[in-house]
Amino acid sequence: SQQGEEDPQALSIQEGENATMNCSYKTSINNLQWYRQNSGRGLVHLILIRSNEREKHSGRLRVTLDTSKKSSSLLITASRAADTASYFCATDAYTGANSKLTFGKGITLSVRP
Amino acid sequence: NAGVTQTPKFQVLKTGQSMTLQCAQDMNHEYMSWYRQDPGMGLRLIHYSVGAGITDQGEVPNGYNVSRSTTEDFPLRLLSAAPSQTSVYFCASSYSLDRVLAFFGQGTRLTVV
Repeated sequence: SQQGEEDPQALSIQEGENATMNCSYKTSINNLQWYRQNSGRGLVHLILIRSNEREKHSGRLRVTLDTSKKSSSLLITASRAADTASYFCATDAYTGANSKLTFGKGITLSVRP
Repeated sequence: NAGVTQTPKFQVLKTGQSMTLQCAQDMNHEYMSWYRQDPGMGLRLIHYSVGAGITDQGEVPNGYNVSRSTTEDFPLRLLSAAPSQTSVYFCASSYSLDRVLAFFGQGTRLTVV
């Protein structure tokens, strides 16, 4: 089963509003990452937060991590139409000798102009 | 040109045929991985490698085979194609222990009829 589960599955907002997306996971992690995918394209890495960090910022992105609740949130402030895409959380966790990166099912964000 | 080169971009196979999806990177990345993406399922890890000569299974390895004889190449083999393997396949690589997949291939859209 997949490690990360995003919530909600789909989100539609007006340009200028903030978008909040959540991710929950099941096992201990080394880090958690968020990716964006535009239609028909590969994934683009947005931000990484380590297990010993609680909050990180990158431009209009703010990520939080609560390891006690095994959850993370991605906030996109002042959204733009160009933010329309699918967003995935991915967790890097050790399984046996190696760590591997597993993705959630994704959140479809639509930003209306 | 730096990046992940993934070929072919499109492929149609008949049930039972075999084929190899090629993935190559010229950035000396240790970590390489293969994912399949299906509607509503997000990205699921098929196989991954933490270095030449080392491979491991992901979430959905059945029906696929990989090898990592060099750092640069990580081919994915479909042994006997089935309609359930119709999907979009992505190869990705990482240059850090953080498993940040900064580089994705362009994807292979595979249809098995």
